[in-house]
Amino acid sequence: QSALTQPPSASGSPGQSVTISCTGTSSDVGGYNYVSWYQQHPGKAPKLMIYEVSKRPSGVPDRFSGSKSGNTASLTVSGLQAEDEADYYCSSYAGSKGGVFGGGTKLTVL
Amino acid sequence: EVQLVESGGGLVQPGRSLRLSCAASGFTFDDYAMHWVRQAPGKGLEWVSGISWNSGSIGYADSVKGRFTISRDNAKNSLYLQMNSLRAEDTALYYCAKGLKRSWAFCYFDYWGQGTLVTVSS
Repeated sequence: QSALTQPPSASGSPGQSVTISCTGTSSDVGGYNYVSWYQQHPGKAPKLMIYEVSKRPSGVPDRFSGSKSGNTASLTVSGLQAEDEADYYCSSYAGSKGGVFGGGTKLTVL
Repeated sequence: EVQLVESGGGLVQPGRSLRLSCAASGFTFDDYAMHWVRQAPGKGLEWVSGISWNSGSIGYADSVKGRFTISRDNAKNSLYLQMNSLRAEDTALYYCAKGLKRSWAFCYFDYWGQGTLVTVSS
C-alpha cells in the first residue's frame, strides 16, 4: 500500500483538461511544499514534470500545472495530447520517512 | 548531457548481498544529492535512499533501513548501493536519480538512469 493515494486511472479527450489528485497526510503532502510529479511511459524511466508543488522544469510544457490544498496535491494537464498518455506518480518528502510516492495514475487519452 | 548509468544488478539468492553502482556524467556531481528509487515489476515507484552532496546526510526507507547502505565517491562521479540480507520483495528495477539540490531531503529527481534489474530468488 502506497503512502500517498492516487486514483488508479484518469481519462480525457484530446484538448480537454484532466486533474489527478494525490492525497497524503500532515506528515508529508500537508507538512511540506516538497511535492513533485513524474510522468512515465511504458518501458521508460520517469520524467520530472512538477517540483515544489507548482514549479516546472525547463522543457516541460506549460500545459502541466501543479497545486496543493491541505493534504492533497493535484496535477492538471490542459489541452490533452496523445503523447500525454502515460502513468503519473506524485511524490512528497515525509520527514523521517524520507521520500514517499503515490501508487500511480494511468492517464488515457480517449 | 546528463547521463546516469547503473550497473551491478542480477539474480541473487535470498539472504545474499549485491552492490549497485551508478556512473554519472554531464553535470557537477558533487553539487547535488543523489538517490536510489526502485520499481517492482508491474508496480509503482518506491524511494529507497538518498545522500547529500558531501555524504553528510543520508536517508533510508523503512523497508531497507539496516540492510542497505548508500554511498558516493565524488572523485569518481559515482553512487553506490550496498544491499545485504536481500529478500524476494527487494526484486525490482533500481534507478539512480539526481536530486535538484544539495540536500537529499527535498526528494526531487530531475534525471534518471535506465535502471538495473535485481532479482532475488532461490
